[in-house]
Formats: sequence, structure tokens, C-alpha cells
Amino acid sequence: AQSVTQLGSHVSVSEGALVLLRCNYSSSVPPYLFWYVQYPNQGLQLLLKYTSAATLVKGINGFEAEFKKSETSYHLTKPSAHMSDAAEYFCAVSVGNSGTYKYIFGTGTRLKVLA
Amino acid sequence: DAGITQSPRHKVTETGTPVTLRCHQTENHRYMYWYRQDPGHGLRLIHYSYGVKDTDKGEVSDGYSVSRSKTEDFLLTLESATSSQTSVYFCAISESTPGRYNEQFFGPGTRLTVL
Repeated sequence: AQSVTQLGSHVSVSEGALVLLRCNYSSSVPPYLFWYVQYPNQGLQLLLKYTSAATLVKGINGFEAEFKKSETSYHLTKPSAHMSDAAEYFCAVSVGNSGTYKYIFGTGTRLKVLA
Repeated sequence: DAGITQSPRHKVTETGTPVTLRCHQTENHRYMYWYRQDPGHGLRLIHYSYGVKDTDKGEVSDGYSVSRSKTEDFLLTLESATSSQTSVYFCAISESTPGRYNEQFFGPGTRLTVL
């Protein structure tokens, strides 16, 4: 079964520092991967998605993710953290076949940005 | 923002009582999903629908049922609520055209407490 694993349930970075949130997937077929962000007391919103058109994908708010098949990874990065980036981040993969699709989510990484 | 509303937004109920949560969309999307979010577990799929009257189980469907009698509404019912069903419930929708790269759009969530 396909799955995603997020390493580190909590990550702290200083404001202005590099953000790196890790996601590894298990898939026997090309995956369709997503990163979502959840701000406190809100639903999830899409940051970016990988659809095989490009291995480096740029999303909203300066985030980007690079698909590395050899490492089965799709880590999320941002060169310089901002206080407003404090949130919980989820990696997800879509699974299924024509007509029925569902999504498997990782357990999430809560990002804390220190002043 | 995608037009998704959930009602109620907050509910406190007692063990053994029936509870129905409603998800309403104005986007005419084919796919609708119910998730529960618990600390350390990320989002777990309860049930999903791929069309009117077409539903299927997710990974944590025990104790839950769903109905979809029209495109815009997806109801989640707890027939006899238990304390283990205390959680935050999210509804999500996805595009009308099937595709593994289709992202989901999430509602604001319903916080359910079962005493």
C-alpha cells in the first residue's frame, strides 16, 4: 500500500533560516504528491503539488519541493523562514484508479519559527 | 476560496447519542471526503464519495456512516457517539474530472466533543 512518512513531528527554525520539512513516500508507481499547510484553527490549503511535469515545484509563500525518485523523497524547503510560516505541514499522496481517488496523508510536521 | 461549509462548527454531545455533521459545497465537484484529525495521526480518511449515492469506506470507517443524496451535500453520521470519536472533522472536495493530480479543497472543520 502506498504511504507517506514525515520525519519530525516538530521542527523549530530561527526567523530567516532555511526551512526543511521531510517527506518520503512508498510507491510502486509514479506518485502524485502534495504539500498542504494548516494554520491554527483552520482547514488545510494546498502549498504545491508534484505531477511529473517538473521535479522542482514552486508553491505559494516562497515554498518549493524537489522530487527525488532515487531517494523516494519530496522534501519541502523555503530559503528564509518568516514568522507567518508557523503552522502544521502535511505531505500527501493520491492513490486509486480511474473514477475513484483518495489521498493518504502523513502525520504532519509542526513548524515553529523563533524570533 | 472554494465554497465549502461545514455545520455545526462546534458540537458537544454525550456518549450514545446520534450525531450528524453536514458538508455543503457550491463548486459542483464530484468527489467529497470526510476526514478526522487527531494529534499524532494526521488526517485519516473516514468515508468518501465519488458521485451522488456512490460512497466507499476509508481507513477508519467503523462507527460512521455517510450519505450523499445530491451533489452539494455529504453527511457524516455517528449512529451512537463514543468518546473515541472526539476529534476535529474535515470535509474536502475534489474536481469533477477524475485525476490523481487533482488537489483537495478543505472546509473549516467541525470540532466534536463526546462526553
